Amino acid sequence: NAGVTQTPKFRVLKTGQSMTLLCAQDMNHEYMYWYRQDPGMGLRLIHYSVGEGTTAKGEVPDGYNVSRLKKQNFLLGLESAAPSQTSVYFCASSSLRDTEAFFGQGTRLTVV
Amino acid sequence: AQSVAQPEDQVNVAEGNPLTVKCTYSVSGNPYLFWYVQYPNRGLQFLLKYITGDNLVKGSYGFEAEFNKSQTSFHLKKPSALVSDSALYFCAAIKNSGYALNFGKGTSLLVTP
Repeated sequence: NAGVTQTPKFRVLKTGQSMTLLCAQDMNHEYMYWYRQDPGMGLRLIHYSVGEGTTAKGEVPDGYNVSRLKKQNFLLGLESAAPSQTSVYFCASSSLRDTEAFFGQGTRLTVV
Repeated sequence: AQSVAQPEDQVNVAEGNPLTVKCTYSVSGNPYLFWYVQYPNRGLQFLLKYITGDNLVKGSYGFEAEFNKSQTSFHLKKPSALVSDSALYFCAAIKNSGYALNFGKGTSLLVTP
């Protein structure tokens, strides 16, 4: 049972490049989330999804887009990367909103 | 506005001593409250949660937390700290009408031998 898997684990982008981060969960969870973690800032919610085909904005959605075409996958896209998007990105999933959330190992993204 | 506050950036405790990591919340109504732990270069792991019922919640690895509605606090506690408890601890809340965890900034716990 893999849980929540994030791909890739590390990436360096040049300013203006685009990329997609993939999150896959094998627990049949309805809810999925993307957070970014920055020093001294804790985790901030970027986007989330409460079910297949639905997405919603979180606290810091600007510069990011998401899609949830399949229940098990939640994709985070950066259309034109900026140095301010240098961060560690975490994906998480949960069965219900008040149940334990399972987190991936994180993706460390550097934008130069 | 930050709805979850962790007033201490770092807590230092000697091994064997009790530890407390503080958390206060400003979410209206009856929020769901959680504690997560993060070890270096890892994702977050669930420790415990409060939804309703008994104010003292017991969780993983001997941790417990006390919900205090009048003080809007949800402090994490452990009677006897271990060096292996050294990690980053996050308090989080979900509003009644919300769908996602809102995290505090985290508290780094250092347990020294």
